[in-house]
Amino acid sequence: VQLGQSGAEVKKPGTSVQVSCKPSGQAFRGFDIHWVRRAPGQRLEWMGWLNVNTGNTGYAQKFQGRVTLTSDSSTRTVYMELRGLRFDDTAVYYCAKASGAAAFDSWGQGTLVTVSS
Amino acid sequence: SYELTQPPSVSVAPGETATLTCGGDDFHSRSVYWYQHKPGQAPVLVVYDDKDRPPGIPERFSGSTSGNTATLTIGGVAAGDEADYYCQVWDLGADPVVFGGGTKLTVL
Repeated sequence: VQLGQSGAEVKKPGTSVQVSCKPSGQAFRGFDIHWVRRAPGQRLEWMGWLNVNTGNTGYAQKFQGRVTLTSDSSTRTVYMELRGLRFDDTAVYYCAKASGAAAFDSWGQGTLVTVSS
Repeated sequence: SYELTQPPSVSVAPGETATLTCGGDDFHSRSVYWYQHKPGQAPVLVVYDDKDRPPGIPERFSGSTSGNTATLTIGGVAAGDEADYYCQVWDLGADPVVFGGGTKLTVL
C-alpha cells in the first residue's frame, strides 16, 4: 500500500488545516489510518486513528476536541482536520497504515504544516 | 500513562555495532516496533513484533527484548544508518499508541 498526502500548508494562528491521505495499491477496507506528527526537534507524536471500514475513530488525549478524522469511501481518501492552530502545531504530519494493533507498515510522504502570522 | 524511555543519542564508528535501547514495562505481554526516521523522509518500519524484519530490511538490523528493555541492534553501521530511531508499543490506556522519545544515531 502506498499513501499519498496533500501538499504543504501555511496557516495563521487560530485557523484550521485539513490534510488528506489517499491509500492506493489495495482495497479501501480492512485497515486503519493513523496520524502522527513530528514538530521540529520533537519526537514522533501520535494523534489518532480511523478505521476505513466503519469510520470509527480514536484520538490522543492531547488532541481531543481539536482534531477530527474523516473518510470518503467514494474517493478512497482519509482526512485529518486540526483546528485552533497554534505556532507549536508547526510540524510534518504523516498518515500511516496499520491493520489493528500491529506495525505501521506504510507511511505517507508527510505534509508540512507551518503556522505563522 | 505508559511511557517508553530511549537515550537521546548514540554514536558509533563506521563498521561497529550500534545498540539502541528502549525501556518500558510489560514487554513480555506486548510487541515492540522500531522505526527509522531520516530528515525529510517518512519513517520506516525496521523491526516488528520485537524481532522480526519487514521485507527489504537488512539482516544487520535485529531486535530483542529482555525484562523491561527492548533493544535494536544495528551491525556494521554505515553513514546511511544515521537517523532517529523510535520504539513504539500499543497500550490499553487512554492513548493506545506510544512512541519513545527517539534516539539519534550518529555515525562518527
